[in-house]
Amino acid sequence: ETGVTQSPTHLIKTRGQQVTLRCSSQSGHNTVSWYQQALGQGPQFIFQYYREEENGRGNFPPRFSGLQFPNYSSELNVNALELDDSALYLCASSSGLLRSADTQYFGPGTRLTVL
Amino acid sequence: RKEVEQDPGPFNVPEGATVAFNCTYSNSASQSFFWYRQDCRKEPKLLMSVYSSGNEDGRFTAQLNRASQYISLLIRDSKLSDSATYLCVVTHQGAQKLVFGQGTRLTINP
Repeated sequence: ETGVTQSPTHLIKTRGQQVTLRCSSQSGHNTVSWYQQALGQGPQFIFQYYREEENGRGNFPPRFSGLQFPNYSSELNVNALELDDSALYLCASSSGLLRSADTQYFGPGTRLTVL
Repeated sequence: RKEVEQDPGPFNVPEGATVAFNCTYSNSASQSFFWYRQDCRKEPKLLMSVYSSGNEDGRFTAQLNRASQYISLLIRDSKLSDSATYLCVVTHQGAQKLVFGQGTRLTINP
């Protein structure tokens, strides 16, 4: 177990709705990255938070937003859901800015289905 | 063109066989290279890092060719438990993200 937890495990929403996904990072980790993994694809980087500030963003529209809290847990918010947002959403925590993949630990993911 | 491309798969091989996966990356500034394993409906997990000198971990051997921008993973004496999706991953110096290939699905048959 990595010590990274995500909630909820599964979620079903309809088009146009908003969703909030949550991630608790491993103890001692101050950096959280979010990834979207569509079926049959590899994970795609959404954004990263380091010490409560956004530190890098992938090619995702502004309706994907996030927060990091003082305890370094994080939220991913998606507004105006579209069918293509159906995916597994993964968070990964690390200590400090990413230097190597072996310092980044993934949570089990939240599977979002948009109908 | 995707930044990291992998064999499309799926690969179906008998237990005990040797299987090889290939991956190419387009960004010459890529700094670090990895293979991840992902079981069905689970999160990706780091399998091994990949170094220019090549590295081995038990039945698994990874190779990197920077000149050709090519990464490989060899699994010898495959086990049923090796069935999973294998993801090729690169990072860039100073970049804060992992760049994943689409993955190659492997099924080991008894």
